[in-house]
Amino acid sequence: AQSVSQHNHHVILSEAASLELGCNYSYGGTVNLFWYVQYPGQHLQLLLKYFSGDPLVKGIKGFEAEFIKSKFSFNLRKPSVQWSDTAEYFCAVNVQWAGNNRKLIWGLGTSLAVNP
Amino acid sequence: GAGVSQSPSNKVTEKGKDVELRCDPISGHTALYWYRQSLGQGLEFLIYFQGNSAPDKSGLPSDRFSAERTGGSVSTLTIQRTQQEDSAVYLCASSLVETYGYTFGSGTRLTVV
Repeated sequence: AQSVSQHNHHVILSEAASLELGCNYSYGGTVNLFWYVQYPGQHLQLLLKYFSGDPLVKGIKGFEAEFIKSKFSFNLRKPSVQWSDTAEYFCAVNVQWAGNNRKLIWGLGTSLAVNP
Repeated sequence: GAGVSQSPSNKVTEKGKDVELRCDPISGHTALYWYRQSLGQGLEFLIYFQGNSAPDKSGLPSDRFSAERTGGSVSTLTIQRTQQEDSAVYLCASSLVETYGYTFGSGTRLTVV
């Protein structure tokens, strides 16, 4: 069955530290990959997405993610986090099956707390 | 509208009552999704609409859950005979094309007491 794994459930960092959140998926077909962020009290927002082309994707607020097909991974990175990055981060994979049917499969999320 | 609108934002209901949750997607978005976000459970897919039809209802947890979409726009998620385990935030998302990413509404927080 298709699944998305986010290995870090809770991450605590100090400001200016580097961030890497892991995301692995299990699906052998064509995928589109997403990272979403949910700030406290707000709704989900798209951080970045990968469809094709350059596997290193740049997103908003200095985030980037690298698609490594051989590892079925799409890890999220940021060189220097800020207190305002405190949020819940979700990795999602869009899989296609049976013609034109699609489904977005979600990881359980990673809670990031950045200490000032 | 400018974004995905969901109503009500909060709903407290007694166990056994029916509830109706509404989603108004971005105008022109043909794809509409319902998800449920429970504490510690992450996001759970419920149902997907393409236009007014639902090619994938596989996520609906039981026959107490149903959803419809009319006019390729507004969608309603109905939960009959609510149970305490139905308490969650119900999120709606729409997309112009599935691969473009989704815009989420703010959700409806349902509490069954």
